[in-house]
Amino acid sequence: GDSVTQMEGPVTLSEEAFLTINCTYTATGYPSLFWYVQYPGEGLQLLLKATKADDKGSNKGFEATYRKETTSFHLEKGSVQVSDSAVYFCALRGTGGFKTIFGAGTRLFVKA
Amino acid sequence: NAGVTQTPKFQVLKTGQSMTLQCAQDMNHEYMSWYRQDPGMGLRLIHYSVGAGITDQGEVPNGYNVSRSTTEDFPLRLLSAAPSQTSVYFCASSPREAGSSYEQYFGPGTRLTVT
Repeated sequence: GDSVTQMEGPVTLSEEAFLTINCTYTATGYPSLFWYVQYPGEGLQLLLKATKADDKGSNKGFEATYRKETTSFHLEKGSVQVSDSAVYFCALRGTGGFKTIFGAGTRLFVKA
Repeated sequence: NAGVTQTPKFQVLKTGQSMTLQCAQDMNHEYMSWYRQDPGMGLRLIHYSVGAGITDQGEVPNGYNVSRSTTEDFPLRLLSAAPSQTSVYFCASSPREAGSSYEQYFGPGTRLTVT
């Protein structure tokens, strides 16, 4: 079945450092891919998405490119801020339905 | 719009008690889902609904019931609480539109402890 694997955390960075959180997936066909973010004490919210191969999703300085050849959707940000401290979830929605599969989440701590 | 609302925010139950977690959305979304979030396991789908009167099981349905009598409401019932159901529960909704990527809108969650 469909699955999502993302790098384990926690990831600890200093402010203005470069961020990469790896995400790979297994799915048949052409799934839609998402990154959701969960701030402390809150529900998840959509950060960015990509619906077809080579699409780049971007929002709030974060980017991720849908790479079908490597089945990856890595999240990147050039300069993180303390306010980016949160848990980040990679997710996919397979073809033929609306059910979404989530990765285990990666906790990011950014130090001032 | 209030978006997706959940009540209560916190709940403590004794083993064997029953309760209902409430979820409502005001965005006229057809799809709704219940997830549980446990450390290191991400979100796991409990039950979902593709419209009023239609529900189906997700990955971990045992011990939970749902119903969908209206588009807005999707309550989750715990029949006989067990310590293994200690978790954070999230409700989510998603629009059903042609060409939609079915991104989900989440409520703030209910933290449940079963002793």
